[in-house]
Amino acid sequence: ELKVEQNPLFLSMQEGKNYTIYCNYSTTSDRLYWYRQDPGKSLESLFVLLSNGAVKQEGRLMASLDTKARLSTLHITAAVHDLSATYFCACSDRGSTLGRLYFGRGTQLTVWP
Amino acid sequence: GAVVSQHPSRVICKSGTSVKIECRSLDFQATTMFWYRQFPKQSLMLMATSNEGSKATYEQGVEKDKFLINHASLTLSTLTVTSAHPEDSSFYICSARDWIKGRGPTDTQYFGPGTRLTVL
Repeated sequence: ELKVEQNPLFLSMQEGKNYTIYCNYSTTSDRLYWYRQDPGKSLESLFVLLSNGAVKQEGRLMASLDTKARLSTLHITAAVHDLSATYFCACSDRGSTLGRLYFGRGTQLTVWP
Repeated sequence: GAVVSQHPSRVICKSGTSVKIECRSLDFQATTMFWYRQFPKQSLMLMATSNEGSKATYEQGVEKDKFLINHASLTLSTLTVTSAHPEDSSFYICSARDWIKGRGPTDTQYFGPGTRLTVL
């Protein structure tokens, strides 16, 4: 079974600072997803990474994928309070026709002034 | 973009009663829907995969008689929590996999807003 590990699980950072969240997965995957979840809400799709070397950016967030290292990163640039949320990475199983996702445990991000 | 709705958004029920949660894809057809539950401050746990017109595939440890899933149409899947107990209290989230006519299912999943179940 595909396993997904995220770190750190908790991240407290000051506004204006940069930081990276890491997502490792155990076996070959053909899709890597990043989601954001606000308290009491469902998941909001941030990025879908499809190939080795893929990099996507939206505002202060940038996601990248290294399929050889089985690693994806979510980089936060000049954090602001509005980025406070829980971030999940997820992989789909290349061998599965059902398209199920395997989620990491999530990174709870708190940005303080 | 594609929208998935869930109903109800919040439900409180007495222990022993059954609760039905609906998941609808509003502007696309979904041959496959997924049901997750999430405990506070934890990740999403896949409960079952629901395929239109066939039986759901349950994850190990999930009681199929407890959590009844029906996917009767390409836009609707339902999860019924039977004889609910306080330990079933959780946040239930569905997702739907997009399907393009002539091409089949895509790998894009859209998540519903979730249903907060509280069993007293």
